[in-house]
Amino acid sequence: AQKVTQAQTEISVVEKEDVTLDCVYETRDTTYYLFWYKQPPSGELVFLIRRNSFDEQNEISGRYSWNFQKSTSSFNFTITASQVVDSAVYFCALSEVYNQGGKLIFGQGTELSVKP
Amino acid sequence: DVKVTQSSRYLVKRTGEKVFLECVQDMDHENMFWYRQDPGLGLRLIYFSYDVKMKEKGDIPEGYSVSREKKERFSLILESASTNQTSMYLCASSPNGGTRETQYFGPGTRLLVL
Repeated sequence: AQKVTQAQTEISVVEKEDVTLDCVYETRDTTYYLFWYKQPPSGELVFLIRRNSFDEQNEISGRYSWNFQKSTSSFNFTITASQVVDSAVYFCALSEVYNQGGKLIFGQGTELSVKP
Repeated sequence: DVKVTQSSRYLVKRTGEKVFLECVQDMDHENMFWYRQDPGLGLRLIYFSYDVKMKEKGDIPEGYSVSREKKERFSLILESASTNQTSMYLCASSPNGGTRETQYFGPGTRLLVL
């Protein structure tokens, strides 16, 4: 069965530190999509990235980078030089190709606290 | 910009009340979803709809129903609210591209059932 695990419940760092949020997934499909969302204190989930299972290239967007490794079923998210505004709950999610309507399976979320 | 709005940010209801949570999207998306979010459990799908008047059960549909009379609007109904339905409810929408499409979320409704 499909599953997403974010083993880190809470992470606390000091501003300017680098931090990596882990995401491990399980699926029997060969075609699937992985997502990261950010949920700031306001509550709305903000889309960060989508990656398909055939694209294992790492992605960098400003201070954010993502490392996708099919061999270990992981899709980890790194924030470089963290800032207080990065404080939020971050969710990793999986969507399988045969899911009608693109149903998302979410991990439990990692609460990141960046202290000044 | 995709815009998903939810009728209330905070709601307090009493046990046994009928509760309506409304969600509207302005991007002509075919798919709409209702999730609930609880600490330690992430987001869990309650119901989704891939077309007007169509609905599919998600992982935790018990105690809930939905209505989609118009493409842009998806309502979640708690027929008789119970305290274990106290939660954060999030609505999302996506275009009809299947699994590859990104879901866009509303701001959420924090529901407290007393």
